[in-house]
Amino acid sequence: DAGVIQSPRHEVTEMGQEVTLRCKPISGHNSLFWYRQTMMRGLELLIYFNNNVPIDDSGMPEDRFSAKMPNASFSTLKIQPSEPRDSAVYFCASSYLGGAGETQYFGPGTRLLVL
Amino acid sequence: GQQVMQIPQYQHVQEGEDFTTYCNSSTTLSNIQWYKQRPGGHPVFLIQLVKSGEVKKQKRLTFQFGEAKKNSSLHITATQTTDVGTYFCALIWGGNNRLAFGKGNQVVVIP
Repeated sequence: DAGVIQSPRHEVTEMGQEVTLRCKPISGHNSLFWYRQTMMRGLELLIYFNNNVPIDDSGMPEDRFSAKMPNASFSTLKIQPSEPRDSAVYFCASSYLGGAGETQYFGPGTRLLVL
Repeated sequence: GQQVMQIPQYQHVQEGEDFTTYCNSSTTLSNIQWYKQRPGGHPVFLIQLVKSGEVKKQKRLTFQFGEAKKNSSLHITATQTTDVGTYFCALIWGGNNRLAFGKGNQVVVIP
């Protein structure tokens, strides 16, 4: 199994530019999660999907952030326009919701730097 | 939302020594998970605890769930340099496999 795949692995952009992060969950998993990790705030859940449907986006910082999951094998997290304070590591994770307490499998992350 | 507090936040451990990291909640937990994140890496699942008083071992790692299911601990014996990283506990809440992570315990191993 290839695991959760994220791209790009690193992104450097200038303030005001649009940034799109991509995620391919593990095949067969029906839950997908986007997290943001910073030194100050730790690991924060931004949004999660079940069966491609957004369930809770209360963690999304503001309207500049949006996420989509057009099918079971692909999700995007978009920041438009980006700001320096968006600099962080963004993780995508997937799991199978079929009982209690399934493991979340994290991708390698996208390290975003907004100048 | 649900929260778990982890103590300590940072530890420097001499290679060969033992250490423990703790995870506390003000409310009763249905279960708790532990993850490890190596420097520059991503969180990796270690274990899940479900039952009151449960103890699970993975080689040099011992995980425990408190009797009241409000706290958990991870104890590592004979620390090795490969144990360096941040250890997170996480609780499942609100259904749908949603996890709330603690701030983590960053462990530095001194050779």
